[in-house]
Amino acid sequence: ETGVTQSPTHLIKTRGQQVTLRCSSQSGHNTVSWYQQALGQGPQFIFQYYREEENGRGNFPPRFSGLQFPNYSSELNVNALELDDSALYLCASSSVIAKNIQYFGAGTRLSVL
Amino acid sequence: AQSVTQLGSHVSVSEGALVLLRCNYSSSVPPYLFWYVQYPNQGLQLLLKYTSAATLVKGINGFEAEFKKSETSFHLTKPSAHMSDAAEYFCAVSQPKAAGNKLTFGGGTRVLVKP
Repeated sequence: ETGVTQSPTHLIKTRGQQVTLRCSSQSGHNTVSWYQQALGQGPQFIFQYYREEENGRGNFPPRFSGLQFPNYSSELNVNALELDDSALYLCASSSVIAKNIQYFGAGTRLSVL
Repeated sequence: AQSVTQLGSHVSVSEGALVLLRCNYSSSVPPYLFWYVQYPNQGLQLLLKYTSAATLVKGINGFEAEFKKSETSFHLTKPSAHMSDAAEYFCAVSQPKAAGNKLTFGGGTRVLVKP
């Protein structure tokens, strides 16, 4: 059984650019959630996908968008990058049976210059 | 709305001493509660969870936490700290039966273990 994997591990972008982060959910998990963790803070919920549909969203602007694919993998897209978008982006997956238990990947560290 | 407060952003303990990390929550309905640990440059690992069963919950690596509804608390303890416990710890809450199962995290407590 493979865990949650995220790519890339590190990324450097400049302000105004666009970025796509990827996540493969744990085997058997059909729900994927994305979180943003700024330096020295706890993770903040961005949104969740279940069966390819958005299933809840936090207080993030529309330039944060996502997709979930039929194999339950997911992408997080951020347009018009701002300096404050610099953070660790975490993906978590969960299953229908144990939906309240989320398993996290190692994250993608995004630096916006 | 739900929120989590972790008292103390940094805790320093001696190896072999008690580890106590405090977490208080606010939730409009009885919540599910979690403790996660984050080692440097890694993601979050689930330590333990409370999902309305026994109020004293045992987790991995010798940690346990007690749900106290009257105090809206879910403090994490470990009787004897080990050097490998040095990490950041996050308390989180979710609402059962809500659309989605988003986690709301506290600000984290960084644990330093002194030899």
